[in-house]
Amino acid sequence: QSALTQPASVSGSPGQSITISCTGTSSDVGGYNYVSWYQQHPGKAPKLMIYGVTNRPSGVSNRFSGSKSGNTASLTISGLQAEDEADYYCCAYTSGTNWVFGGGTKLTVL
Amino acid sequence: EVQLVQSGAEVKKPGESLEISCTGSGYNFDDYWIGWVRQMPGKGLEWMGIIYPSNSDTRYSPSFQGQVTMSTDRAARTAYLQWSGLKASDTAIYYCARHLRAVPYDFWGQGTLVTVSS
Repeated sequence: QSALTQPASVSGSPGQSITISCTGTSSDVGGYNYVSWYQQHPGKAPKLMIYGVTNRPSGVSNRFSGSKSGNTASLTISGLQAEDEADYYCCAYTSGTNWVFGGGTKLTVL
Repeated sequence: EVQLVQSGAEVKKPGESLEISCTGSGYNFDDYWIGWVRQMPGKGLEWMGIIYPSNSDTRYSPSFQGQVTMSTDRAARTAYLQWSGLKASDTAIYYCARHLRAVPYDFWGQGTLVTVSS
């Protein structure tokens, strides 16, 4: 099972919006509405930010939103803040009852 | 409060055996899968597999099938990840996480650093 494809890095200035893409196939991202996104700060455990493509867990800022079109899912962060600087990973359910992560994207807030 | 607490860091030699643990609290342990995720030094997250404590149903990633064993002790509310012959390439941080298909990996343990070196 190959990892989902994410850009290695993205950057933005405070207050701007950025979007991170996550490309898979019809057997994972495109086949099910089970795409989630995780934020990981250095030395910390990952934190669930989006699940079920578009849903935010309680306590996650509404500046974070998710979407999907075909085999590509996206995470958008609006009103960028310094604290958003972290690594972001997408994750998707795949046929065969497995799951797969993306390679990760490093977000830099300029 | 939902918590997953993992066992402490380990330093092992190649060929040795190891079992690390993940103890859940603050929720019904039987109602959620436990997933295991590897993060090699400076690298991304890799899905290893999941186990359902209620009936020990286990799903392994093809990449980890035969390399590790997942198990649970329901009475102790604890999940385990076991190696029978460690390799240097097993050096990584291993995370456990609570899991449902609808809300995947919503709470995570703090991670266990495993270092394998001669």
